[in-house]
Amino acid sequence: QSALTQPASVSGSPGQSITISCTGTSSDVGGYEYVSWYQQYPGTAPKVVIYDVSNRPSGVSYRFSGSKSGNTASLTISGLQAEDEADYYCSSYTTNSTTIFGGGTKLTVL
Amino acid sequence: QVHLQQWGAGLLKPSETLSLTCAVYGGSFRDYSWTWIRQPPGKGLEWIGEINHSGATNYNPSLKSRVSISVDTSNNQFSLKLSSVTAADTAMYYCARGRAMRGCAHWGQGTLVTVSS
Repeated sequence: QSALTQPASVSGSPGQSITISCTGTSSDVGGYEYVSWYQQYPGTAPKVVIYDVSNRPSGVSYRFSGSKSGNTASLTISGLQAEDEADYYCSSYTTNSTTIFGGGTKLTVL
Repeated sequence: QVHLQQWGAGLLKPSETLSLTCAVYGGSFRDYSWTWIRQPPGKGLEWIGEINHSGATNYNPSLKSRVSISVDTSNNQFSLKLSSVTAADTAMYYCARGRAMRGCAHWGQGTLVTVSS
């Protein structure tokens, strides 16, 4: 199974909004409402920030939101803050009852 | 409070079998699926597989011939075995609670496994 497609990097200034895309196929992202997003700081385990496409776990900032259109899911971070600088990964359920990750996106806060 | 503690050998030779165990403290072990994920140095996350409390498994097709995940409900533990390792299996290995595509909220501390002759 091929990894979901994410941009290698995105950047934004404090206060701005950024969106990270995650493109798959109708066999994964497009076929199910099971897309999650993870935030990872260097040297630490990932942390889930969005699950089931658009749900935010308790304790995650309201500035994080998720959506999906067709075969592409998106993570939007509004009111960008320095602490948001991290790597972000999407994941999706697939028709093979497996899970697939995206290649990851490095977010830089300018 | 949920805590996952993982352990296993950190240095292997090519062709050996990787073996890691993850113990779960707190929460209900039987109510969740349990997942293994790895991350090669400087690279992205790769889903290895998952198991539920009754032992039903799903594996990454690219690893399926070499991987085995098992569960020990009496001790609230689950384990990963990966046979015939090569340098390409060098990675940080994480255990986690839940199914990755639905969001794993709790993770082990990670174990760096290096394969080198």
